[in-house]
Amino acid sequence: NAGVTQTPKFRVLKTGQSMTLLCAQDMNHEYMYWYRQDPGMGLRLIHYSVGEGTTAKGEVPDGYNVSRLKKQNFLLGLESAAPSQTSVYFCASSYSDSRNEQFFGPGTRLTVL
Amino acid sequence: EDQVTQSPEALRLQEGESSSLNCSYTVSGLRGLFWYRQDPGKGPEFLFTLYSAGEEKEKERLKATLTKKESFLHITAPKPEDSATYLCAVQRVAGANNLFFGTGTRLTVIP
Repeated sequence: NAGVTQTPKFRVLKTGQSMTLLCAQDMNHEYMYWYRQDPGMGLRLIHYSVGEGTTAKGEVPDGYNVSRLKKQNFLLGLESAAPSQTSVYFCASSYSDSRNEQFFGPGTRLTVL
Repeated sequence: EDQVTQSPEALRLQEGESSSLNCSYTVSGLRGLFWYRQDPGKGPEFLFTLYSAGEEKEKERLKATLTKKESFLHITAPKPEDSATYLCAVQRVAGANNLFFGTGTRLTVIP
């Protein structure tokens, strides 16, 4: 099992450009999450999904969109990147609400110039 | 407002020198408290989940405990490979499966 994988690992964007981060999990988990991690801020939830076809806003959703067309994939989109979105992005998944141990991917380091 | 505070921010230990990391929390209805380990440049790795005050869990040199206001991660006779950042997170009441993370304790174990 690969667990949770993320692509790409690194990316540099210019302000105003768009991109999509891809997360895939092979554990048949229902729930998937996108976090960002900034120095001194801890992990903050951007969006999450409780099942295929569902999405919901987390703590810091502005400037991001997500889609969950297939159970195993969760996409995070930046339509018009801003320097404030420079961060490390982590995807995670969990089996259910009652078993909420979240398993994380290796992260994507994004720099917006 | 829900809060998770971890202390100390950084801790340096000699190999074999036992110590504890603290996670204090204020949350409206604790569903679970989670401990993770994060190595530089990697994603967090799940360690433990604690659900009720008095609960304890162990894994190798690590033991996590939970009270109504805080959790401790005890490290017994640490080795250099235990060096990492340890993150604490809380899950709020049932139906809200999101985790709220603290900022972590960066542990360095010196040979």
